[in-house]
Amino acid sequence: EIVLTQSPGTLSLSPGERATLSCRASQSVSSSYLAWYQQKPGQAPRLLIYGASSRATGIPDRFSGSGSGTDFTLTISRLEPEDFAVYYCQQYGSSSWTFGQGTKVEIK
Amino acid sequence: EVQLVESGGGLVQPGGSLRLSCAASGFTFSSYWMSWVRQAPGKGLEWVANIKQDGSEKYYVDSVKGRFTISRDNAKNSLYLQMNSLRAEDTAVYYCAREKRDPYSQGAHYMDVWGKGTTVTVSS
Repeated sequence: EIVLTQSPGTLSLSPGERATLSCRASQSVSSSYLAWYQQKPGQAPRLLIYGASSRATGIPDRFSGSGSGTDFTLTISRLEPEDFAVYYCQQYGSSSWTFGQGTKVEIK
Repeated sequence: EVQLVESGGGLVQPGGSLRLSCAASGFTFSSYWMSWVRQAPGKGLEWVANIKQDGSEKYYVDSVKGRFTISRDNAKNSLYLQMNSLRAEDTAVYYCAREKRDPYSQGAHYMDVWGKGTTVTVSS
């Protein structure tokens, strides 16, 4: 089973700052199978990025994804107040799905 | 509007059973793999099970194998999760999610539609 490790656990930033979130896989992951989700308290997860770098419908272009192999990154270029949330990476492999443990982006 | 609505959660004693349902609308349900994903209180997301469009393939996370059964009724646009021998560690919000396997994006796999979830509490 592929394990996804996200870092940092918590990111404390101010609105307008840049956020860089990391997702590292224990084995190589196909970029096609790597996605990122945003979750706010009391809400379901929302798809942000699929295929490691493609933005989902309606996602602002301040969100971008990159990476390949075992190292993937979600970047939020300039944080808006509504971006403070928990972010999860996810991969598909061997007929199953795994999620990272999440990175919380909080207001500094 | 594309929508998934879960139901069937509640309080159940350890060892008990519960059946969750997920009603789909706004899309051709029979064309998609579907998944259940859960989230324990204050914890991260954990994939539980998924099922192929025609129900011919089903997969489970190891921790629920032999206890949970995923099924679907395409005529009713509904997804189900039968949960038996429930344990305290099964306490979570359970989400159903649509899997997209996108042949136009280099075969990208992701979950693009989620329900709001239903809460399962296993406690005596």
